[in-house]
Amino acid sequence: KAGVTQTPRYLIKTRGQQVTLSCSPISGHRSVSWYQQTPGQGLQFLFEYFSETQRNKGNFPGRFSGRQFSNSRSEMNVSTLELGDSALYLCASSSGTGGYSQYFGAGTRLSVL
Amino acid sequence: SQQGEEDPQALSIQEGENATMNCSYKTSINNLQWYRQNSGRGLVHLILIRSNEREKHSGRLRVTLDTSKKSSSLLITASRAADTASYFCATDVSNQAGTALIFGKGTTLSVSS
Repeated sequence: KAGVTQTPRYLIKTRGQQVTLSCSPISGHRSVSWYQQTPGQGLQFLFEYFSETQRNKGNFPGRFSGRQFSNSRSEMNVSTLELGDSALYLCASSSGTGGYSQYFGAGTRLSVL
Repeated sequence: SQQGEEDPQALSIQEGENATMNCSYKTSINNLQWYRQNSGRGLVHLILIRSNEREKHSGRLRVTLDTSKKSSSLLITASRAADTASYFCATDVSNQAGTALIFGKGTTLSVSS
């Protein structure tokens, strides 16, 4: 099976712009979770989508949003980018929601200038 | 806020030695998972131990869980240079709302030949 695919791998944006990141889960996995990783805060949970519905959400401002399509692919959007949004954004898929192992993609490294 | 705290933050050993990392957490969990991350890339799932299990093995990995002390340990036996990476524990506090994995800040393991 192919693993979790995230695109793009690298992205450079300027403050105030918006960005969309994409994640294709492992075939058959219906749950997709997103995480932000920074040197200061570590790995932080953003949100989880399961069967096109947001199931859980971390403590992030409304500028961070996402969606999931019927084929389980997911996108994450960040609007009005701030310098502090520079991070590695990781997507993970699992076969179910709650209590399952998660399988991560290689991540999208976002730099906000 | 971080749920899990890994100890030590950094560990340097020689090839062939054993490496032990510890994780403490604060709240009740469904399971605890260990992940490995190589130099800013995606996370690799290593092992999942459920709250009713005390010990689990996978190849050279041995994980223990003590729910009364809210702690877990990861032992890597006969370390290799390829084991050099950051190791994270993640506590699964998923509920009916969905998946929620809370990561610690990790232990950076350096194995020299």
